[in-house]
Amino acid sequence: GAVVSQHPSWVICKSGTSVKIECRSLDFQATTMFWYRQFPKQSLMLMATSNEGSKATYEQGVEKDKFLINHASLTLSTLTVTSAHPEDSSFYICSARDAPAVNEKLFFGSGTQLSVL
Amino acid sequence: GENVEQHPSTLSVQEGDSAVIKCTYSDSASNYFPWYKQELGKRPQLIIDIRSNVGEKKDQRIAVTLNKTAKHFSLHITETQPEDSAVYFCAATRGSWGKLQFGAGTQVVVTP
Repeated sequence: GAVVSQHPSWVICKSGTSVKIECRSLDFQATTMFWYRQFPKQSLMLMATSNEGSKATYEQGVEKDKFLINHASLTLSTLTVTSAHPEDSSFYICSARDAPAVNEKLFFGSGTQLSVL
Repeated sequence: GENVEQHPSTLSVQEGDSAVIKCTYSDSASNYFPWYKQELGKRPQLIIDIRSNVGEKKDQRIAVTLNKTAKHFSLHITETQPEDSAVYFCAATRGSWGKLQFGAGTQVVVTP
């Protein structure tokens, strides 16, 4: 299946700093990528839909100025957590399809565990 | 708003028995229903999926059924093995981009 690469795998940062997470589709082009957040023992919650060449669409309750998304190419989307605080500590994971149809498989990156001290 | 409900939240089975997880969805436009298996700290892995034009799909020990009228879909695992122990998530698409809405997850524990 398609490969979605995500970096870094884990990051520890001080409160108030910004953290950038990269999501790459390695063997296919992804016009659309999705960013999810998962707290311990909870489900995956969609944060935003990242579209190449245009602004991301954020889910209700997700602060767009805090979670900056840039999808500058067909193989790369980045999520920047700005001015991170301990409550932002979570598992962040991206996903993408290798086909244009919306009823096709969604492949996930390996996730980024963010710990804010 | 649209949501996906999943039951049970935990499921303990003896090795060799069957496990069934049920989900319901609310968006009648949903047309794709995948099931993911997630081990602790790892990415979700797709184990089986079904599209809205199909009522049942089977892959070895895993099967999924879909009742569009009732907006129900279920995962069936037969002859369970200890390595089947994990958290299982159902999901349904919503919206024009096919966003996936996930259920709350089911912790499956298979005891030898």
